[in-house]
Amino acid sequence: GIQVEQSPPDLILQEGANSTLRCNFSDSVNNLQWFHQNPWGQLINLFYIPSGTKQNGRLSATTVATERYSLLYISSSQTTDSGVYFCAVGRRYGGSQGNLIFGKGTKLSVKP
Amino acid sequence: DGGITQSPKYLFRKEGQNVTLSCEQNLNHDAMYWYRQDPGQGLRLIYYSQIVNDFQKGDIAEGYSVSREKKESFPLTVTSAQKNPTAFYLCASSIREGGTEAFFGQGTRLTVV
Repeated sequence: GIQVEQSPPDLILQEGANSTLRCNFSDSVNNLQWFHQNPWGQLINLFYIPSGTKQNGRLSATTVATERYSLLYISSSQTTDSGVYFCAVGRRYGGSQGNLIFGKGTKLSVKP
Repeated sequence: DGGITQSPKYLFRKEGQNVTLSCEQNLNHDAMYWYRQDPGQGLRLIYYSQIVNDFQKGDIAEGYSVSREKKESFPLTVTSAQKNPTAFYLCASSIREGGTEAFFGQGTRLTVV
């Protein structure tokens, strides 16, 4: 099956710093999402981005499908950005249209 | 408000008991999913359903069962056959299966005592 690798696994930042999180995947995909898991466990949708670039406030994401990677940029980080960031991808195979397969996440800690 | 509601938030189960986790959505989505998350890990797919009265096994279906009698509801039963059921369980839905944005509920934390 498709492999999803996220890097770095852990990241510690000072408030106000910028960061880039990476997601590599091993095959073509028809779905790619970035999530933020808050301390209570809820998965917050950040971007649905199987290709191209999107921006939402201080966050932006780029997926280069032909090279099988996606990047999540966080600018001017805040303590509330802390948590785990997951990349999840989907592709068609067999009878499935592409259920999401998750990476292991990047744990971000933003210090005041 | 549209969304996905999971209940209960916390659940304790004695060894040998079956328990059922509830998932309800009012987004009019056709597809629903159950995922399991272990500490420090990503999510793994247990079961998914593309449409009412149909469901398929995911990667770790052993010891679990589901039903999809209504579009809005996709309950998950953790049976006594599940060897290590203590985990965080997340339900999701999307307009259709695959290739569309999925949204998640707040999760149920199951602990075996």
